[in-house]
Amino acid sequence: TQLLEQSPQFLSIQEGENLTVYCNSSSVFSSLQWYRQEPGEGPVLLVTVVTGGEVKKLKRLTFQFGDARKDSSLHITAAQPGDTGLYLCAAYMEYGNKLVFGAGTILRVKS
Amino acid sequence: KAGVTQTPRYLIKTRGQQVTLSCSPISGHRSVSWYQQTPGQGLQFLFEYFSETQRNKGNFPGRFSGRQFSNSRSEMNVSTLELGDSALYLCASSFTPAYQETQYFGPGTRLLVL
Repeated sequence: TQLLEQSPQFLSIQEGENLTVYCNSSSVFSSLQWYRQEPGEGPVLLVTVVTGGEVKKLKRLTFQFGDARKDSSLHITAAQPGDTGLYLCAAYMEYGNKLVFGAGTILRVKS
Repeated sequence: KAGVTQTPRYLIKTRGQQVTLSCSPISGHRSVSWYQQTPGQGLQFLFEYFSETQRNKGNFPGRFSGRQFSNSRSEMNVSTLELGDSALYLCASSFTPAYQETQYFGPGTRLLVL
């Protein structure tokens, strides 16, 4: 059983469309991170959210942390082919200090 | 500033053999964490070293071990390889212990066990 449930597993969309990726758990997170991984590379940190209800924006990417710190979402506006990759959420659980990853969402943006 | 480097990038071994993977962290970083990435299980934490001491360990059998040297470089060893050990092994480094600290990942070592 995954501690962090990510959905959807796969997304194939056209350039210019919007999309949202979700990350949920029954446990409380002390913080949550979003990464993007491209083929042949390691994950690259996009953002860390710490406070319940927090919203962070990174250009066309918007990250939300749920009020109860059990869920998070990543919204991409006007997706571009360069957004293609594997998106991973990861969290340190409230009483742990090991980073736990979700299974990931494979995003493909077609031009 | 050079990023995290991992050697070798690709490796093919047979069942029963052992393998050693190497990770050089970003200059000045003292924490190195290792992860295993497979299509079935995703990214899973193996262990973390800080100042040559293992701080945390994931749920992997004792065949998986690691160490860190005084220059912060780290190695991980897998003995008695099994087919299921085929995976991308990633290391990540940070200035301080990884908890809530930004980690920088290397490109990984892809291990194939035949």
